[in-house]
Amino acid sequence: NAGVTQTPKFQVLKTGQSMTLQCAQDMNHEYMSWYRQDPGMGLRLIHYSVGAGITDQGEVPNGYNVSRSTTEDFPLRLLSAAPSQTSVYFCASSVSGRAHEQYFGPGTRLTVT
Amino acid sequence: AQSVTQLGSHVSVSEGALVLLRCNYSSSVPPYLFWYVQYPNQGLQLLLKYTTGATLVKGINGFEAEFKKSETSFHLTKPSAHMSDAAEYFCAVKGLDSNYQLIWGAGTKLIIKP
Repeated sequence: NAGVTQTPKFQVLKTGQSMTLQCAQDMNHEYMSWYRQDPGMGLRLIHYSVGAGITDQGEVPNGYNVSRSTTEDFPLRLLSAAPSQTSVYFCASSVSGRAHEQYFGPGTRLTVT
Repeated sequence: AQSVTQLGSHVSVSEGALVLLRCNYSSSVPPYLFWYVQYPNQGLQLLLKYTTGATLVKGINGFEAEFKKSETSFHLTKPSAHMSDAAEYFCAVKGLDSNYQLIWGAGTKLIIKP
């Protein structure tokens, strides 16, 4: 099992550019989520999904889109990058009903200039 | 609204000394509580959890935490710190409004002095 994988590890974008952060898991987990981590603020939930075809907004969804066409993949799209989106992004997954016991990917460090 | 407060953004202890990381929560019902650990340049991993039952919970790497309802606390302890414990530790509580969300503390970075 590779667990939860994220690509890329690092990314630098210019303001206004778009990109997709990739997340995949091979544990057949129904629940997947995206967080951003900023110093002194812990983790903030961006979007989550409880299964293929079902997504919902978290605490800070503005500027981000998600889709879940398969159980394995949950990409996060930045539509028009802004410096405020400079952060470390984590993808996580868990078994349905146990969303509090999440498995995290290694993270993507994004810088927007 | 629920919240989680971790006292101290940085805690420094000497190797071999007691580790105490503080977490207080606000919740109107008995909570599910968690500690996660993040080693440098890695994702988070579950250290331990309290759901129901015994209030003293043991986790990986010799850590334990005690749920104290009267104090609304869930402090993390380890009797003797190792250099390998240097990491950031996050306390979290399961959201009341959702089966899918955790409310996170801001994190405490544990520094181990040789």
